[in-house]
Amino acid sequence: QVQLVESGGGVVQPGRSLRLSCAASGFTFSTYAIHWVRQAPGKGLEWVALISYDGTNEYYADSVKGRFTVSRDNSKNTVFLQLSTLRVDETAVYYCARGGYSHGSTNFDYWGRGTLVTVSS
Amino acid sequence: DIQMTQSPSSLSASVGDRVTITCRASQSIRNYLNWYQQKPGKAPKLLIYAASSLQSGVPSRFSGSGSGTDFTLTISSLQPEDFATYYCQQSYNSPPYTFGQGTKLEIK
Repeated sequence: QVQLVESGGGVVQPGRSLRLSCAASGFTFSTYAIHWVRQAPGKGLEWVALISYDGTNEYYADSVKGRFTVSRDNSKNTVFLQLSTLRVDETAVYYCARGGYSHGSTNFDYWGRGTLVTVSS
Repeated sequence: DIQMTQSPSSLSASVGDRVTITCRASQSIRNYLNWYQQKPGKAPKLLIYAASSLQSGVPSRFSGSGSGTDFTLTISSLQPEDFATYYCQQSYNSPPYTFGQGTKLEIK
């Protein structure tokens, strides 16, 4: 069965960095794009980043562009999200999600359970 | 960027009720619209993709419709497990793939 497991969250001071991982199993990892979506406590969902199936294309929300970097290692079925210059308002649960593609439309068909990043001094 | 607006933001209903949630895009997104359900402390779950296609394993009481800028998610007969927050999300063209602000469905 498809599984995505995030790790790497924790408490970090403002301005510091953190690297999140998303380990995948149960599907042909190298043929799927992976997205990152975050959710601040009590708030809605915010799309953060996308990496294409082969890692050649990356996209970011304007709010994180230049500070976050997404990468992947297809030999290890893992995607990474490097978070830099973190801000207090980026405290959130960070989810990775598989990029499904049906009827010409991208969707997020499987999600991990998320990893909590707390930015606090 | 494309903005997605859901209404209502919250909704109270009873088991067995028919419920409709709407989502409006700031520009035409054709049928590139997905719906997700999220329960407290859990990851979102894909319900509907491409505006009206039911994701595998999702009960048939869920349905989606619309195209262009206006979309709806309908639950034909609410069940106790349907009380949750629902999000629409557009995937038109290239990212960012924006979400609506969510609709919290509560028990009356």
